[in-house]
Amino acid sequence: KAGVTQTPRYLIKTRGQQVTLSCSPISGHRSVSWYQQTPGQGLQFLFEYFSETQRNKGNFPGRFSGRQFSNSRSEMNVSTLELGDSALYLCASSPYSTAYGYTFGSGTRLTVV
Amino acid sequence: DQQVKQNSPSLSVQEGRISILNCDYTNSMFDYFLWYKKYPAEGPTFLISISSIKDKNEDGRFTVFLNKSAKHLSLHIVPSQPGDSAVYFCAASEETSGSRLTFGEGTQLTVNP
Repeated sequence: KAGVTQTPRYLIKTRGQQVTLSCSPISGHRSVSWYQQTPGQGLQFLFEYFSETQRNKGNFPGRFSGRQFSNSRSEMNVSTLELGDSALYLCASSPYSTAYGYTFGSGTRLTVV
Repeated sequence: DQQVKQNSPSLSVQEGRISILNCDYTNSMFDYFLWYKKYPAEGPTFLISISSIKDKNEDGRFTVFLNKSAKHLSLHIVPSQPGDSAVYFCAASEETSGSRLTFGEGTQLTVNP
């Protein structure tokens, strides 16, 4: 079965712009979580969506937002991009709102210039 | 507040020998622990997990040990193979936090032929 699909794989944006990243979970998975990976901060939790509702949120500014659609696909949006937002953004899906069966996508590499 | 810590940034072992990766945690509410393997610019790949009701879980060459009283877990890889060279992350979750994972900083394992 298909894994977690993230698009695009690579993205270059300018400071001040906004960006939208997409994540398609494994079929049947209803929970989608987003993480940011940077060299200095490691893997940090952004938020989790389950059945179109945000279940959990990490310690990120309001410029980071997300949503989930009825087919469980999720999007993450970052507004007013800063240089420090350059990172690998990963999404993971699981059948329910638990860590069991948690599977990651390959990520979107965002570079802000 | 680093709730999950991997104190060894790197580990180098010879092919065929045992690799032991360590992880400590501070949050006593964590009840499920996972190990992931990660290559650059890719998403983490799940290796093995353990619930807090167990103290050992084995899957092929990989064994995870959990010492709840010490808040310590370790991943043993026997025998180590060059293809095991990657960054290894331990992660933890608690039932009340949905699918949110808290990650350690990672350990770069290098297996030399």
